[in-house]
Amino acid sequence: GEDVEQSLFLSVREGDSSVINCTYTDSSSTYLYWYKQEPGAGLQLLTYIFSNMDMKQDQRLTVLLNKKDKHLSLRIADTQTGDSAIYFCAESITGDDKIIFGKGTRLHILP
Amino acid sequence: GAVVSQHPSWVICKSGTSVKIECRSLDFQATTMFWYRQFPKQSLMLMATSNEGSKATYEQGVEKDKFLINHASLTLSTLTVTSAHPEDSSFYICSARPPVRAGGRDEQFFGPGTRLTVL
Repeated sequence: GEDVEQSLFLSVREGDSSVINCTYTDSSSTYLYWYKQEPGAGLQLLTYIFSNMDMKQDQRLTVLLNKKDKHLSLRIADTQTGDSAIYFCAESITGDDKIIFGKGTRLHILP
Repeated sequence: GAVVSQHPSWVICKSGTSVKIECRSLDFQATTMFWYRQFPKQSLMLMATSNEGSKATYEQGVEKDKFLINHASLTLSTLTVTSAHPEDSSFYICSARPPVRAGGRDEQFFGPGTRLTVL
């Protein structure tokens, strides 16, 4: 079945790197996504990775994909107060309309 | 580009009344729109997939007579919560998908959400 798991909470000091982890179960995933949700707002696509890639970097964001272990991570370098939000890991399945979301990781920035 | 709006952004209604939420793609045509429900500190739960000009496809456990979806044009889908009750209070988020997908990727653009409170 389709299932995306991620830890619910992460606390990081400002300036440090944040690493948010995610595991998924469906091996037929085509794309894996990271979305950001700020309080009271909708979702913003941060980045995505195609399932045949193992790394993608976009400015302060680095996505690592271990397809063998079905493990996805998002690293945010030099974490800033504006990064405080909920981060959702998600996958889309080949031939399916849906995007399956994890429960979200709430990132809290310590001063 | 790729902006999706929702209206209203928040609504409070009495139990037993019906509430309509609009989802609009402002600068692109969306053949498919999705409606999600999000409980506090929970993930997004897909309620239904709305295709322009045809009936919506509801996820298991979602009452189609309770949550009426209409996708009458390529830029507008509406979700009507009929005979709302306090347990329907939630954050409802829509997303819209353009017909042409860059690189085959499933791109969904999300609206800002509508917070429904039923008294």
